Amino acid sequence: DGGITQSPKYLFRKEGQNVTLSCEQNLNHDAMYWYRQDPGQGLRLIYYSQIVNDFQKGDIAEGYSVSREKKESFPLTVTSAQKNPTAFYLCAIRGDNYGYTFGSGTRLTVV
Amino acid sequence: AQTVTQSQPEMSVQEAETVTLSCTYDTSENNYYLFWYKQPPSRQMILVIRQEAYKQQNATENRFSVNFQKAAKSFSLKISDSQLGDTAMYFCAFMKHTGTASKLTFGTGTRLQVTL
Repeated sequence: DGGITQSPKYLFRKEGQNVTLSCEQNLNHDAMYWYRQDPGQGLRLIYYSQIVNDFQKGDIAEGYSVSREKKESFPLTVTSAQKNPTAFYLCAIRGDNYGYTFGSGTRLTVV
Repeated sequence: AQTVTQSQPEMSVQEAETVTLSCTYDTSENNYYLFWYKQPPSRQMILVIRQEAYKQQNATENRFSVNFQKAAKSFSLKISDSQLGDTAMYFCAFMKHTGTASKLTFGTGTRLQVTL
């Protein structure tokens, strides 16, 4: 079953803790993206990767880190430096027609 | 930098009626793509329709059509014969035509409620 998979669906983080959100795809696409969604602000780009072992900062990269060791995987780490991490996080891949396919998202909450 | 503006935070339409969602954008680019995405309560983002800027003909997908006015930098979405399943957040998005680095810039969304 082809697609893009995000896990976990819900994630809780304690103050000062790093957490990692998973994004996996089996569609063999190069470009992958991480977006953050807050109420009333639409989606904002955190990081993106065009190819393995390469990634670039988006508009709100502070407090986040990523890696792209495999084509299939683009995990996002929310570090303790991110002061307001509670949000909905969406991973996406860019398809051949320039449209994005999104994962089902991860809801991160600070407790 | 590109910006996308959706000036209608919320809209409501009765079932079977037609509704138009507005979107304007600002760019100095000549080649780009425009999109409308739907996000139902499940929060899954779904591509509704896509428009290439070099095409003058407005895109259509079943009950969904756009009115693309390049000079005015306007890209509205018309939903005909509205159905309860159309209830969702709708996001307008812009992408420069720059190869593999293509990034989507989103508007803040319009919440559409379809009522009986």
